[in-house]
Amino acid sequence: QKEVEQNSGPLSVPEGAIASLNCTYSDRGSQSFFWYRQYSGKSPELIMFIYSNGDKEDGRFTAQLNKASQYVSLLIRDSQPSDSATYLCAVVNAGGTSYGKLTFGQGTILTVHP
Amino acid sequence: DAGITQSPRHKVTETGTPVTLRCHQTENHRYMYWYRQDPGHGLRLIHYSYGVKDTDKGEVSDGYSVSRSKTEDFLLTLESATSSQTSVYFCAISVGTSGRLATQYFGPGTRLTVL
Repeated sequence: QKEVEQNSGPLSVPEGAIASLNCTYSDRGSQSFFWYRQYSGKSPELIMFIYSNGDKEDGRFTAQLNKASQYVSLLIRDSQPSDSATYLCAVVNAGGTSYGKLTFGQGTILTVHP
Repeated sequence: DAGITQSPRHKVTETGTPVTLRCHQTENHRYMYWYRQDPGHGLRLIHYSYGVKDTDKGEVSDGYSVSRSKTEDFLLTLESATSSQTSVYFCAISVGTSGRLATQYFGPGTRLTVL
């Protein structure tokens, strides 16, 4: 079983719709959770960081965390064609000698069509 | 831009040759990481460093070695390149290891092709 799993995708949504990206993780010691966006041929860039249960909103993006269910999601409201990219979920176990190592999911490709 | 550069940006080499990739940062961050990215696998950690001369293996370290003799430089060496090491390599840094400080910022990547 992979440590971090994302919905397989690809995900296609119409412009203006809500895109929902999901991620589950297996390590209960995971403490911080990250969503990165990666455009084709580019490096990953941070969109959201969350560490407390509940929702965290930043503009059109909302991250949701449920530690009991070991589940983190990213909602993109009013999706735009410019949101078309691969979205990577990453988790870190901040305990002991983890040295901040992130474990990434395999990524979900999102396409927003006009 | 977290002040991270990688060199070379593109490289084509032949099987069996040694290859060294360089990651350079300008902000004296303690933690540095090397990843490879392949279709269907996301980002996989090769090696990481938590200080000068302090390095350790990640999940896919076989065939790779690293060195960090200065805070700003983290070198990844393929001792004898194989076709399975054809990939995109990313370097990353973080300010710390927990909470928001564990956020990693990535360099532009190096596309390596081993023929």
